[in-house]
Amino acid sequence: AQSVTQLGSHVSVSEGALVLLRCNYSSSVPPYLFWYVQYPNQGLQLLLKYTTGATLVKGINGFEAEFKKSETSFHLTKPSAHMSDAAEYFCAVRTAVGGTSYGKLTFGQGTILTVHP
Amino acid sequence: DAGVTQSPTHLIKTRGQQVTLRCSPKSGHDTVSWYQQALGQGPQFIFQYYEEEERQRGNFPDRFSGHQFPNYSSELNVNALLLGDSALYLCASWHRGEQETQYFGPGTRLLVL
Repeated sequence: AQSVTQLGSHVSVSEGALVLLRCNYSSSVPPYLFWYVQYPNQGLQLLLKYTTGATLVKGINGFEAEFKKSETSFHLTKPSAHMSDAAEYFCAVRTAVGGTSYGKLTFGQGTILTVHP
Repeated sequence: DAGVTQSPTHLIKTRGQQVTLRCSPKSGHDTVSWYQQALGQGPQFIFQYYEEEERQRGNFPDRFSGHQFPNYSSELNVNALLLGDSALYLCASWHRGEQETQYFGPGTRLLVL
């Protein structure tokens, strides 16, 4: 079984400050990990993903995340927040090819990011 | 490329009614998954369709059913609507051979009164 825990349902930062959104996962098989962003009244947009290879992955809009197997974490960071980053962010896990939950994404509860001027 | 499209965008129903939601996958995609996102929650997996068959199912009752057509588009049907079915219903499509990335549509917001 898979699960995702996002620490902090709300995170507030000032414009220009570091953004850190935390995600821990549980998976019995090697995971694929994703971060999605959701703007109000919209669907989900993929920010970045980890499948295999380099553990530090870069995504769109200056975001990046690091897969740490020993800590079962996949935290999302951005060096300098912009007002347009205000949205809800979801971490998700999926088992790799051959897993019993093939293709099924399991999401965390989400973290709402607020950016203050 | 139109991406994943869903219709309708909004829907209001009353308890006990039935509803059908529609999804057209991104061009080149052959697999469709449906998710329910209740207010303030993360999306929950309902089921997945590939080659016109349900391949996986989440923890949802039989009131939730679906279909996939030869052109890969899909429908989600919900019978005997309950107030708790009010949610944003998201469709995601992907190509089974390139399964890492699932693309989501804008969703259908269903309100059950």
